[in-house]
Amino acid sequence: QVQLQESGPGLVKPSETLSLTCTVSGGSISSYYWSWIRQPPGKGLEWIGYIYYSGSTNYNPSLKSRVTISVDTSKNQFSLKLSSVTAADTAVYYCARGVSYYDSSGYYLGDFDYWGQGTLVTVSS
Amino acid sequence: SYELTQPPSVSVSPGQTARITCSGDALPKQYAYWYQQKPGQAPVLVIYKDSERPSGIPERFSGSSSGTTVTLTISGVQAEDEADYYCQSADSSGTQFGGGTKLTVL
Repeated sequence: QVQLQESGPGLVKPSETLSLTCTVSGGSISSYYWSWIRQPPGKGLEWIGYIYYSGSTNYNPSLKSRVTISVDTSKNQFSLKLSSVTAADTAVYYCARGVSYYDSSGYYLGDFDYWGQGTLVTVSS
Repeated sequence: SYELTQPPSVSVSPGQTARITCSGDALPKQYAYWYQQKPGQAPVLVIYKDSERPSGIPERFSGSSSGTTVTLTISGVQAEDEADYYCQSADSSGTQFGGGTKLTVL
């Protein structure tokens, strides 16, 4: 059974960088889109971005200038860095496994079949 | 980028059928996926590729697609189905979620 677990500070100061790590157990990090998704308190889900196991990345355009996602296949981990945070970045951050599908246009991200439990990150001084 | 539009809320009585819609211009060309999220929990995939049900998801959950609208149908709604439901689909930038629908079981 695949399991994902987020880890990192629960409190970040404004203007600093939010850093989270997701550890994947029970399965290989290969052949999937490893993603970060967040949910501000009382609001909906927002996709942040993904890293494919090969290292290619894709980010939500609204966050692209501040986001970096990286992978460490030797540790079965992937990480999120979000710079210059403000109170608007306060949210529950989830890591998730994105399924890879293929059509005439090539491979693409489909659904998220496994999720971490989520970790609340509060941006406050 | 385009939006996925869901009704904010749907209410049904136990045993009735709940239908939650998700509209988006690209849905005729892209698959939709549905998630159930209960308070304090991570989302759970209930439908993938418009109408496929993952293992372990009850048969009362089904999905369909027609034009620019996809629909999650829950037949014989039970109290435990009260939750937020989100649709998701690919867009030109990656993927996106609908705003979510709160299902209330009266």
